[in-house]
Amino acid sequence: ILNVEQSPQSLHVQEGDSTNFTCSFPSSNFYALHWYRWETAKSPEALFVMTLNGDEKKKGRISATLNTKEGYSYLYIKGSQPEDSATYLCASADRGSTLGRLYFGRGTQLTVWP
Amino acid sequence: EAQVTQNPRYLITVTGKKLTVTCSQNMNHEYMSWYRQDPGLGLRQIYYSMNVEVTDKGDVPEGYKVSRKEKRNFPLILESPSPNQTSLYFCASSQEVYNEQFFGPGTRLTVL
Repeated sequence: ILNVEQSPQSLHVQEGDSTNFTCSFPSSNFYALHWYRWETAKSPEALFVMTLNGDEKKKGRISATLNTKEGYSYLYIKGSQPEDSATYLCASADRGSTLGRLYFGRGTQLTVWP
Repeated sequence: EAQVTQNPRYLITVTGKKLTVTCSQNMNHEYMSWYRQDPGLGLRQIYYSMNVEVTDKGDVPEGYKVSRKEKRNFPLILESPSPNQTSLYFCASSQEVYNEQFFGPGTRLTVL
C-alpha cells in the first residue's frame, strides 16, 4: 500500500488570499499523480493528472506542480473565492505489479470566508 | 451526456442479505474502479478493472466481488453484507489509470 499524505488537513482563508497545499507520495515506481476537487454532497471532480517530473498544469486560478524525484506535488489557488471551498484530494498510481491501483490521500479541506 | 451512473443511490439493508450496486459508463472507458469513503479515512479502492474480464483487488477487497463482462458495466456485489460495510460507495471510470477519473454520484449503503 502506498502512503499518500496531504497537508494541511484543513485550511481556512479569507476571500482573495492565495493558498497552496501539498501531496507527498513514494517516488519510486511513480506513474501518475491525480488531483480532485470534492464539494460536500457531490462527487469528486478531476482537476489534473500529471505524469512527468516538472509537470505544471493550470486551470483558471488553480495550478499544480509535480516533483517525482522527491515525491511531492503542490496545488495552488490564486485569489481564493468562497466557491473554492471544498476538499482537495490527491491520488498516486505506481508502476509494476500494482499498475491500476490508485492510492488517495485523506484530503485538504479548504474553507474560504467572504 | 458523458456520465457514470450508479444504482441504487441509497440503500438500507440487513446483515447477510446479498446485494448488488450497479455502475455503468457511456464513455467507452477501459478503466473502472470502486471506492468506499469513510469518515477520517478518505477514499479507499475496493476493486478495479483495466479492461473487460480483467479485475484486480484494491486496498479493501474483503467482503466484495466484482465482474466486468461488458466494457460499460462494473457491478459491485456484497454476498453477505455486514455492518462494517456501511459506507458511501463511488464508482469511477477513465480511459486509462493515468487519465482523469469520472465519478458516479455515489451510493450510500447502510447495513443493519
